[in-house]
Amino acid sequence: RKEVEQDPGPFNVPEGATVAFNCTYSNSASQSFFWYRQDCRKEPKLLMSVYSSGNEDGRFTAQLNRASQYISLLIRDSKLSDSATYLCVVNTDYGGSQGNLIFGKGTKLSVKP
Amino acid sequence: DTAVSQTPKYLVTQMGNDKSIKCEQNLGHDTMYWYKQDSKKFLKIMFSYNNKELIINETVPNRFSPKSPDKAHLNLHINSLELGDSAVYFCASSQGSGGVGETQYFGPGTRLLVL
Repeated sequence: RKEVEQDPGPFNVPEGATVAFNCTYSNSASQSFFWYRQDCRKEPKLLMSVYSSGNEDGRFTAQLNRASQYISLLIRDSKLSDSATYLCVVNTDYGGSQGNLIFGKGTKLSVKP
Repeated sequence: DTAVSQTPKYLVTQMGNDKSIKCEQNLGHDTMYWYKQDSKKFLKIMFSYNNKELIINETVPNRFSPKSPDKAHLNLHINSLELGDSAVYFCASSQGSGGVGETQYFGPGTRLLVL
């Protein structure tokens, strides 16, 4: 089983749509969770951290379910500029205090006019 | 001002050659990383250094040798390049000791093509 699994998509949605991405992780000892965004031929950039209580940043809402080892990202009112690949990222303890980011393969989103 | 910079941006070379990729961060961060993103877009950590000391070394062929002359620089030297080394290599940095929860900032990537 892969450490971090995501539906690769692509998700093709019209502008204004609401879209949700899911992610599962295999290591129950994982401690930190993130969503990164990667535009075509660019570097990954942090979109938001994911907290157990759920957190929201504008049109973006992230949820974490530790019992199910499941992370989600909801994007409301999609914009053309949201088109990108969304990477689910889990940080596991590498030993001592060191972390090791484990990336999912990403979910590709394409927002159409 | 580029926070994490890498050179070169593109690298095309023949099998068997030796090449280096350089990375510099001006964020004052203590930890730097090298990641490889293959043709299937899978991003995987290779190495991390904290204050010039190696802290993570994933299962990477010993043809890959990172070098950190100071905490602002982490270079990657690759000996005897193979076709399978073709990928995008990303450098990243984080503020602390690489602990869980730290945000990592990525460089623009170096696209390596081995012919």
